[in-house]
Amino acid sequence: GAGVSQTPSNKVTEKGKYVELRCDPISGHTALYWYRQSLGQGPEFLIYFQGTGAADDSGLPNDRFFAVRPEGSVSTLKIQRTERGDSAVYLCASSLSAGQNTEAFFGQGTRLTVV
Amino acid sequence: AQRVTQPEKLLSVFKGAPVELKCNYSYSGSPELFWYVQYSRQRLQLLLRHISRESIKGFTADLNKGETSFHLKKPFAQEEDSAMYYCALRVPTDSWGKLQFGAGTQVVVTP
Repeated sequence: GAGVSQTPSNKVTEKGKYVELRCDPISGHTALYWYRQSLGQGPEFLIYFQGTGAADDSGLPNDRFFAVRPEGSVSTLKIQRTERGDSAVYLCASSLSAGQNTEAFFGQGTRLTVV
Repeated sequence: AQRVTQPEKLLSVFKGAPVELKCNYSYSGSPELFWYVQYSRQRLQLLLRHISRESIKGFTADLNKGETSFHLKKPFAQEEDSAMYYCALRVPTDSWGKLQFGAGTQVVVTP
């Protein structure tokens, strides 16, 4: 497909479990972003990759959250010991590069529910 | 810290009426401002950005640094404008990937 793909689209997990959320960016896009959107709120920045490296991870809420992008394409957001407060829609976006005139394209999101 | 405020959670307008979505921000420098839109069952997408100074789908937005505002306007609302609208800000000293979003305004255009 031509757009950013996120899997799964929905994930229900029990409190304390580990989850992985996957993002396939648009082919050729070097910049990749993760955001989290809680109910009734706008998206909240988590982490930004340029290539394989995390250029800015200042939005990760705590050390239970971790993200990787080992080959500069697909990225995985990992959440350990999930808590009910982690329930949200996790959005991924990618852009051709990072710069003033670049547009970020968003995926449909993964809705995570921690019960 | 920078902050984006969208004071209206819901805006209901009649088709053909003007619509204005308010966005205020707190930042002392020169930020980049954006409007994103999310139509029902679709993904979040960029509507317009202040540096382009363009009109998209009849919408315009002017950055007012004195009032620290970036309100979105359209003179004649259409039913297809019904959607969730988010104002977002990027600070030049931050990484390019870091956008700060407001809480959003739901627009409902009724015939």
